[in-house]
Amino acid sequence: QVHLVQSGAEVKKAGASVKVSCKASGYSFTTFPIHWVRQAPGQSFEWVGWMNPGNGNTRYSQNFQGRVIFTRDTSANTAYMELSSLRSGDTAVYYCARYFANDESFDFWGQGTQLIVSS
Amino acid sequence: DIVMTQSPLSLSVTPGEPASISCRSSQSLLHSNGYKYLGWYLQKPGQSPQLLIYLGSNRAAGVPDRFSGSGSGTDFTLKISRVEAEDVGVYFCIQTLQTPTFGQGTRLEIK
Repeated sequence: QVHLVQSGAEVKKAGASVKVSCKASGYSFTTFPIHWVRQAPGQSFEWVGWMNPGNGNTRYSQNFQGRVIFTRDTSANTAYMELSSLRSGDTAVYYCARYFANDESFDFWGQGTQLIVSS
Repeated sequence: DIVMTQSPLSLSVTPGEPASISCRSSQSLLHSNGYKYLGWYLQKPGQSPQLLIYLGSNRAAGVPDRFSGSGSGTDFTLKISRVEAEDVGVYFCIQTLQTPTFGQGTRLEIK
């Protein structure tokens, strides 16, 4: 069955960078886009961007442009999100989610990675 | 960006009773292919979101038939015909017609 397993919680200082991983299993990793979203404490979700694991193409939300980079390692079926110049407002749970184009929906989600940014 | 507005923001329901959640979009989510790019998700306490309804009205695999989705281009409704204890959590809508945007979430609790 499909699983997306994310890396563990991170605590970073403001100004630092963080790299979160999302390991896929149970399906062809290069076939389905991976989206990243975040959920700040007490708030709804915010879309960060997406990547096509097949060709590495990416699209980022304007809110993160210049601070976020998506990469992938197809040999390890793993997608990565690196967020730099961290600030306290980046404190959130970050999720990767598989996008199933047939249903135009996020059909599987990772368990989430808690990021805490301290000043 | 398309703005998604949910109501109510919280709901307290007696087991066995129905529940209804509304999601309105600032623009039509009707694609030229005839499909409505709106999904409903449930985030149970301590868990990741799970897909309930896709393309406005289609139940995802394994979702009980007490859940149903309906709607026009801008007004959508998720209905639970008979709420059960396991349905507690936060329900939210996501539009995927353009850059994905999310409703604020509706917290459902059991009376």
